[in-house]
Amino acid sequence: EAGVTQFPSHSVIEKGQTVTLRCDPISGHDNLYWYRRVMGKEIKFLLHFVKESKQDESGMPNNRFLAERTGGTYSTLKVQPAELEDSGVYFCASSHASGGRADTQYFGPGTRLTVL
Amino acid sequence: AQSVTQLGSHVSVSEGALVLLRCNYSSSVPPYLFWYVQYPNQGLQLLLKYTSAATLVKGINGFEAEFKKSETSFHLTKPSAHMSDAAEYFCATKGSGYSTLTFGKGTMLLVSP
Repeated sequence: EAGVTQFPSHSVIEKGQTVTLRCDPISGHDNLYWYRRVMGKEIKFLLHFVKESKQDESGMPNNRFLAERTGGTYSTLKVQPAELEDSGVYFCASSHASGGRADTQYFGPGTRLTVL
Repeated sequence: AQSVTQLGSHVSVSEGALVLLRCNYSSSVPPYLFWYVQYPNQGLQLLLKYTSAATLVKGINGFEAEFKKSETSFHLTKPSAHMSDAAEYFCATKGSGYSTLTFGKGTMLLVSP
């Protein structure tokens, strides 16, 4: 079974540019999560999809971030325009079943975003 | 709000020595607790999880953790460190919204020969 995949693995852009990160969850997983780790800080939740619907987006930093999950399969996270403080590692995770407390979230390798 | 605190951003041990990585939680309800590991250039991998069943939880690669309510702790241990255990370890809990993970800051485990 293929794991969670993320693309690209690294992205270096200049302030003000746009970047789109992609996540392909494990096949059959309805729940998809985005997390971010800024250097030196803890990994923080951004948002949660159930199929194509946003279940919880309370962690999204501001309206420069737009997440989509068309068709309930892969997801994209767009940052427009990027700012210096957006630099960090963006993780995607997925889980099946109810997405409840006991569910295991399977993580991708992350996308390292550097904004210059 | 649920939270976890990991004591020590870096822990160094010799190969064959005991590994002890500390995690304390703060929770107003029975917590669900997790330990994840991240090897270089890889994603986070679940080591083990506590979901209010047995207080001693055994995970992969010889790791285990004990839930101690009186100490609000969920420390990760392994009797004998191996070079391949060198990685970053994260303690996490699930909040009242039950779906999302709240992580500690991570502990980098360094293993020397």
